[in-house]
Amino acid sequence: GAGVSQSPSNKVTEKGKDVELRCDPISGHTALYWYRQSLGQGLEFLIYFQGNSAPDKSGLPSDRFSAERTGGSVSTLTIQRTQQEDSAVYLCASSLRPGQEDEQYFGPGTRLTVT
Amino acid sequence: RKEVEQDPGPFNVPEGATVAFNCTYSNSASQSFFWYRQDCRKEPKLLMSVYSSGNEDGRFTAQLNRASQYISLLIRDSKLSDSATYLCAVNKGSSASKIIFGSGTRLSIRP
Repeated sequence: GAGVSQSPSNKVTEKGKDVELRCDPISGHTALYWYRQSLGQGLEFLIYFQGNSAPDKSGLPSDRFSAERTGGSVSTLTIQRTQQEDSAVYLCASSLRPGQEDEQYFGPGTRLTVT
Repeated sequence: RKEVEQDPGPFNVPEGATVAFNCTYSNSASQSFFWYRQDCRKEPKLLMSVYSSGNEDGRFTAQLNRASQYISLLIRDSKLSDSATYLCAVNKGSSASKIIFGSGTRLSIRP
């Protein structure tokens, strides 16, 4: 079946512009995560959506970052007034439900380059 | 202290060797533990979940030590194709809590 998809796969933007990154999770998955990964680094947690609960935004690095998940499915991560340090791969993952078997399935990521 | 810590490596071992990694976590209430594999410029993929009693999948063995708050991954008879970065992941506590990843351990298998 279809996995997690993300778009665009690559995005080059000028410093100061806003960008929107999209994630389509696996159908029926209630949990959705956004992570950021800089070159050679680990995964940095950004935000977590679980069903209808309020999202856990504790990982968002600044108020320039926001995310929403509409209808419990598609999610959009928005970065306003991009800075060069925002350059990274942004990964989205979904899981069926949290709990002991909460395997996450990752999308291929969006590689963001801020010039 | 980081919530989930791993030795970044790199571990450089010959083909056929046995190699082990540890991953420590800070939250004693954590309930779910995983090992992911990430190839260069690819997304992470689940290698195995880690169960309380320990579990094995072919050449891979995962163990959990709750008392010392770490999980381990053992790879026996390593293959060239095992070269990758291995990420551990731990949930924060309650069953509905977010998953936190370690920064990964790089493994390189040489012929």
